[in-house]
Amino acid sequence: GESVGLHLPTLSVQEGDNSIINCAYSNSASDYFIWYKQESGKGPQFIIDIRSNMDKRQGQRVTVLLNKTVKHLSLQIAATQPGDSAVYFCAEGPSGAGSYQLTFGKGTKLSVIP
Amino acid sequence: TAGITQAPTSQILAAGRSMTLRCTQDMRHNAMYWYRQDLGLGLRLIHYSNTAGTTGKGEVPDGYSVSRANTDDFPLTLASAVPSQTSVYFCASSEGPGGKEKQYFGPGTRLTVT
Repeated sequence: GESVGLHLPTLSVQEGDNSIINCAYSNSASDYFIWYKQESGKGPQFIIDIRSNMDKRQGQRVTVLLNKTVKHLSLQIAATQPGDSAVYFCAEGPSGAGSYQLTFGKGTKLSVIP
Repeated sequence: TAGITQAPTSQILAAGRSMTLRCTQDMRHNAMYWYRQDLGLGLRLIHYSNTAGTTGKGEVPDGYSVSRANTDDFPLTLASAVPSQTSVYFCASSEGPGGKEKQYFGPGTRLTVT
């Protein structure tokens, strides 16, 4: 079956630098993509989402880029802070009537070095 | 607004015993989900419900059952627990399709089956 995967399982970044977390997807029918942040001992928390009719979307210190040609999704975090240390998941939502479900990647652990 | 609540926070359960994990949302979302999260395997969908009165099987439904008697509650039952069901369980909800696929997660229940 098709799945969502991540290029890098761990990422260490110096405080103040920008972070880039990558995600590959293989379901060409997916039209909705979302990033979650999960801190230790907590549930996943929504960061940002994007639809397939967009290439880029910005939030507060975060940007999601979608490259449909190579089926690649990335999350950019500007001026990374210690509080950004967490596991980040990407997920995709397949298109189709009645389909509510998301398929999650395994996650990338981001460690911020003070 | 509380969002999604789960109970208990954690539980140690003897193999062969039954248990129900509780999940309640106050956002009037149509869809609800149960995931298990295991190290290295990410979030895997156990069961879902697109609307009150309906349920469906996810990726790993064996050994679990759910019910959706009303909009707010979505309990997950383990009829006869086995050690392989040791995991962290997350409940989530979403409004539905058509631009509303974003899922909101509860804080999780950590279950240990001995």
